[in-house]
Amino acid sequence: DQQVKQNSPSLSVQEGRISILNCDYTNSMFDYFLWYKKYPAEGPTFLISISSIKDKNEDGRFTVFLNKSAKHLSLHIVPSQPGDSAVYFCAASVSGTYKYIFGTGTRLKVLA
Amino acid sequence: NAGVTQTPKFQVLKTGQSMTLQCAQDMNHNSMYWYRQDPGMGLRLIYYSASEGTTDKGEVPNGYNVSRLNKREFSLRLESAAPSQTSVYFCASSEMGETYEQYFGPGTRLTVT
Repeated sequence: DQQVKQNSPSLSVQEGRISILNCDYTNSMFDYFLWYKKYPAEGPTFLISISSIKDKNEDGRFTVFLNKSAKHLSLHIVPSQPGDSAVYFCAASVSGTYKYIFGTGTRLKVLA
Repeated sequence: NAGVTQTPKFQVLKTGQSMTLQCAQDMNHNSMYWYRQDPGMGLRLIYYSASEGTTDKGEVPNGYNVSRLNKREFSLRLESAAPSQTSVYFCASSEMGETYEQYFGPGTRLTVT
């Protein structure tokens, strides 16, 4: 049972445009969400996070939106750059469990 | 700072062989984790150590053991490797608690034939 789902395995976007990556979850107990970026042959690197008490968090070109009623979060990258081409994972956790559940990832390709 | 280091980077084992994957962090983090990444499966938690002296099972612990040797080091042992354990293994560390991001090592690519 996949508790965190990224239904789009891949996404292509033109340089300068907006990239929107989506993530859905089923466990209503999740209260902290993170996005990671992963380049080939490297470990994931943290990008941005959001607590369930917020519905938006921004860091430079990256914004994460959380819709608790829909159990949905999205990552917006504006403007997209070729260096953003990577696999993006969303992850969720429940306070007190120390367990992060990851989605299956979305491969973003930004076309120059 | 090296961050999170893992050894080896690559390993090929025969079915039934044993090996230990090593992980060390120099960020003075309390919590450490082992994940495996398989195609189409994302990252799945094998074991974690919330703090020095404690270890707990994650989503997929069968076939693995761990040791939190000290605050810096967290090793993963495969006692009798099976082809189903062919995967990329990532170690991660974080401050204690779930509301801190994890820092990942570069991974170990393991093939079991």
